[in-house]
Amino acid sequence: EVQLVESGGGLVQPGGSLRLSCAGSGFTFSDYWMTWVRQAPGKGLEWVANIKQDGSEKYFVDSVKGRFTISRDNAKNSLFLHLNSLRAEDTAVYYCARKHPVAARRYYFDYWGQGTLVAVSS
Amino acid sequence: AIQLTQSPSSLSASVGDRVTITCRANQGINNVLAWYQQKPGKVPKLLIYDASSLESGVPSRFSGSGSGTDFTLTISSLQPEDFAAYYCQHFNGYPHFLTFGGGTKVEIK
Repeated sequence: EVQLVESGGGLVQPGGSLRLSCAGSGFTFSDYWMTWVRQAPGKGLEWVANIKQDGSEKYFVDSVKGRFTISRDNAKNSLFLHLNSLRAEDTAVYYCARKHPVAARRYYFDYWGQGTLVAVSS
Repeated sequence: AIQLTQSPSSLSASVGDRVTITCRANQGINNVLAWYQQKPGKVPKLLIYDASSLESGVPSRFSGSGSGTDFTLTISSLQPEDFAAYYCQHFNGYPHFLTFGGGTKVEIK
């Protein structure tokens, strides 16, 4: 059974940093692109970042470029999101998600973690 | 940048109703579109990908159609477990980014 389990969320002050983790199991982690998606309280879904299987390609939504980084450790079946210079508008549940194994030129999500809440407030 | 506009933002319907949700892109996106269902307090679930392909395990009352700029998600006979929010999503390969529609909340009438 495919499982994705996030951790690392919490309350942080504006300007602070946090590292989120996502542990994958039940599939060959190194075979898949992985993603972070966030959802502000009561709001819709927002894509945050993608990372290729070997970590050689990384992409970010404009609003987090230069502040967030994405990485992975395939030996530990783990995905990470490093959040720096946090702002109130970064407050959200952060989900890790797996790319659906469809054609390379499509990118959808077939499995999601339960999410971890990041709250940015003084 | 490609933007997805869903309509309506919310709707009220009864069990057994046929429900249609629309997702409009501000430029042509071929059929690169997915639909997700999210129940309150739960994670999103993939329903449809490539505009009209039903994800494995998803009931056949869900269907998707469209190409280019206009897409629809149809629930042929609304069931109690279908009351949820629905989101469309597109992937653009170059430049590489993903975008979601604003969502449609389906509520009990």
